[in-house]
Amino acid sequence: NAGVMQNPRHLVRRRGQEARLRCSPMKGHSHVYWYRQLPEEGLKFMVYLQKENIIDESGMPKERFSAEFPKEGPSILRIQQVVRGDSAAYFCASSYGQGREKLFFGSGTQLSVL
Amino acid sequence: GESVGLHLPTLSVQEGDNSIINCAYSNSASDYFIWYKQESGKGPQFIIDIRSNMDKRQGQRVTVLLNKTVKHLSLQIAATQPGDSAVYFCAEIANDYKLSFGAGTTVTVRA
Repeated sequence: NAGVMQNPRHLVRRRGQEARLRCSPMKGHSHVYWYRQLPEEGLKFMVYLQKENIIDESGMPKERFSAEFPKEGPSILRIQQVVRGDSAAYFCASSYGQGREKLFFGSGTQLSVL
Repeated sequence: GESVGLHLPTLSVQEGDNSIINCAYSNSASDYFIWYKQESGKGPQFIIDIRSNMDKRQGQRVTVLLNKTVKHLSLQIAATQPGDSAVYFCAEIANDYKLSFGAGTTVTVRA
């Protein structure tokens, strides 16, 4: 039973390009969360999704960032026109239900913007 | 701003000794706390959780203590092993589902 799968593990983009980060939740999990981690800091909440619905995107910048979790396929975090400040580790987590549930994290995608 | 923080950024422990990692939080509404372990290049791994109606919970080699009076959380690791070397984060949830993470404590185990 695979855990939360994220790809790619490492992504290098030049300023102005687009970054697409993918996350496949654990089998049976329908709740997905995206977090961002800057070096030597804790994880910061970005967005919470259920299948085909964005439940809470309060932690995600209003511009350039978007997320989706389609009925079929992985959840996608999309960053348009990347800037150097977007360089960070992006982690996806999934849970079976909402609320006080154990979150299972993926290994993350390290985004580097040149 | 951050509602969860850690007292010390680094902790060096002799193999076999007990480790104590501390965490302070400021949100009185927090009612669920989790400790995560993060090894280099990996995502956070759940260690143990505790709800606010408890003050102590034990797992395998780990104990979490919660003192709501002073808003303090600690993680105790018994007989620390080299594999325990990692960054440890406390996280909290208040009223919803969003985890708020502290900055982390780096634990280094000396052989």
